Amino acid sequence: NAGVTQTPKFQVLKTGQSMTLQCAQDMNHEYMSWYRQDPGMGLRLIHYSVGAGITDQGEVPNGYNVSRSTTEDFPLRLLSAAPSQTSVYFCASSYSKPQGARYNEQFFGPGTRLTVL
Amino acid sequence: SQQGEEDPQALSIQEGENATMNCSYKTSINNLQWYRQNSGRGLVHLILIRSNEREKHSGRLRVTLDTSKKSSSLLITASRAADTASYFCATVNTGGFKTIFGAGTRLFVKA
Repeated sequence: NAGVTQTPKFQVLKTGQSMTLQCAQDMNHEYMSWYRQDPGMGLRLIHYSVGAGITDQGEVPNGYNVSRSTTEDFPLRLLSAAPSQTSVYFCASSYSKPQGARYNEQFFGPGTRLTVL
Repeated sequence: SQQGEEDPQALSIQEGENATMNCSYKTSINNLQWYRQNSGRGLVHLILIRSNEREKHSGRLRVTLDTSKKSSSLLITASRAADTASYFCATVNTGGFKTIFGAGTRLFVKA
């Protein structure tokens, strides 16, 4: 299994540009989520999904859109990039909702380093 | 605002010593987890403790949870240079699906 994969690894954007960060998992996980990590801080939840067709907002959703058309994929779209969105973005997945009885751990991708100029 | 607050922010110890990190949180939780992050990498899950548990062990790791004080601690025994990393606690609130991370403790183990 490849686990959780993210593309690209690095990206530089200009203010106002849009782009999509890709995330895929091959573990048939129900729950997927996107986080951003800024220097010296923990991870902040952007959006999450509890299954195909179902998404919801996290702590810092503004400026980002998500969709979940399949179990495997959970892309994150930046609508109009701003310098404040410069960060490292992590995608994660798990078998079930974090409260679920089967829930054990989240598996994280390697991250995408995004710089917005 | 972030749920978990780790203490200390940074910790430097000698190889072979024990390392203790603490986490405090604000609201009722379903479970609390600890993750490790090596520099420039993604997070790796270490251990999960549910709200009805008080202590859990995994290898050299020992986690305690005190729901009355809304706090948890992670003890790494007989530390190794390879344990050098950032450690994060993460909480899942009751009634919610969100996992909220603290700012982390940076552990440096000197060989």
